[in-house]
Amino acid sequence: GEDVEQSLFLSVREGDSSVINCTYTDSSSTYLYWYKQEPGAGLQLLTYIFSNMDMKQDQRLTVLLNKKDKHLSLRIADTQTGDSAIYFCAESNSGYALNFGKGTSLLVTP
Amino acid sequence: DSGVTQTPKHLITATGQRVTLRCSPRSGDLSVYWYQQSLDQGLQFLIQYYNGEERAKGNILERFSAQQFPDLHSELNLSSLELGDSALYFCASRDHRAGNTIYFGEGSWLTVV
Repeated sequence: GEDVEQSLFLSVREGDSSVINCTYTDSSSTYLYWYKQEPGAGLQLLTYIFSNMDMKQDQRLTVLLNKKDKHLSLRIADTQTGDSAIYFCAESNSGYALNFGKGTSLLVTP
Repeated sequence: DSGVTQTPKHLITATGQRVTLRCSPRSGDLSVYWYQQSLDQGLQFLIQYYNGEERAKGNILERFSAQQFPDLHSELNLSSLELGDSALYFCASRDHRAGNTIYFGEGSWLTVV
């Protein structure tokens, strides 16, 4: 199947910006998503971007999409300890299922 | 709260047994997805239903089956359980009206002993 790749771990200091990167291989992806999973919890939809966009901003979150390079990033401004979680990148082709990366564990230190 | 409800939250059962996991999608969402999350395999897509019909199949074992009922709730049946089936099973529903956003439930933790 098509692949979604993410780095496994990121550590940042509180107040800094975090950038989580993701690459995907399916050129027919129409929607790209970021989900957050806290320990013992479900998957929380953070944001998504349609493939004809290159940027989306939502409060502290900025998503950048480089469709040519099939590269997606999630920037979290002013990262807080409560942002510590696993972040999943996922892609989807229209109405079909999400294909997830393995997740990036974000650790925010005081 | 995503609006997707899953029961039970936790389940412990023995090898060889059969369990049923239940999912109620968000109001008005016609698509339901089932995913399995395990440490070694990550998030694996199992199966999708749309308005009662099977839409797509992923890595679902033959021992597993699912269905979506006329009221749009869905059930995932897992039979002849093995230790390796221990995982977190997620249900999700899709809002086709609003950018194809997909919302996940809190999951059902299955432990097979």
